[in-house]
Amino acid sequence: KQEVTQIPAALSVPEGENLVLNCSFTDSAIYNLQWFRQDPGKGLTSLLLIQSSQREQTSGRLNASLDKSSGRSTLYIAASQPGDSATYLCAVGTYNQGGKLIFGQGTELSVKP
Amino acid sequence: KAGVTQTPRYLIKTRGQQVTLSCSPISGHRSVSWYQQTPGQGLQFLFEYFSETQRNKGNFPGRFSGRQFSNSRSEMNVSTLELGDSALYLCASSFGGRDSDTQYFGPGTRLTVL
Repeated sequence: KQEVTQIPAALSVPEGENLVLNCSFTDSAIYNLQWFRQDPGKGLTSLLLIQSSQREQTSGRLNASLDKSSGRSTLYIAASQPGDSATYLCAVGTYNQGGKLIFGQGTELSVKP
Repeated sequence: KAGVTQTPRYLIKTRGQQVTLSCSPISGHRSVSWYQQTPGQGLQFLFEYFSETQRNKGNFPGRFSGRQFSNSRSEMNVSTLELGDSALYLCASSFGGRDSDTQYFGPGTRLTVL
């Protein structure tokens, strides 16, 4: 059974700092991995998707990496800003499971001015 | 292009009632998935519909059901509501066929059961 874990559960950093969020999964037979952002009481916003054949994806100040063999993904945020404050969720899709995503519990990020 | 829309945004019901939630996917998307989000359990997969057929189902009781129409719009129904059904219900849409398919989420329906 696939399990997804995110560490740390919460993180507080000063503005301008570079930071890394971690995601681990127990079954390496994944279809893809997605990172999402969720603001309080809102839906999820897709940040990056990494296909199983890829090692990383970049969008602006965000870079996500994937290492299937070790069951890990990281989300790197450069030059953090207060507007980056939100909960970040990673989710994995697995073969023969259609659109089903299995989510981690999320990392709540607070960027202080 | 328009995003995923969910109606209603907020609902208050009492135990024993039933409720129907609606999700309109992004135009061209054929897959709609439903998730329940609670503070204790996080995001849990309910079911997925693709071209009007249920393609996958999570571990929820039979009180939770859904359907998809020919225009890909989907509805989720919960019968005999319990206090524990209070949650944010999210739907997501995608093309549904490739590992490059990003899932796009709607704003959610906040259900409160009293």
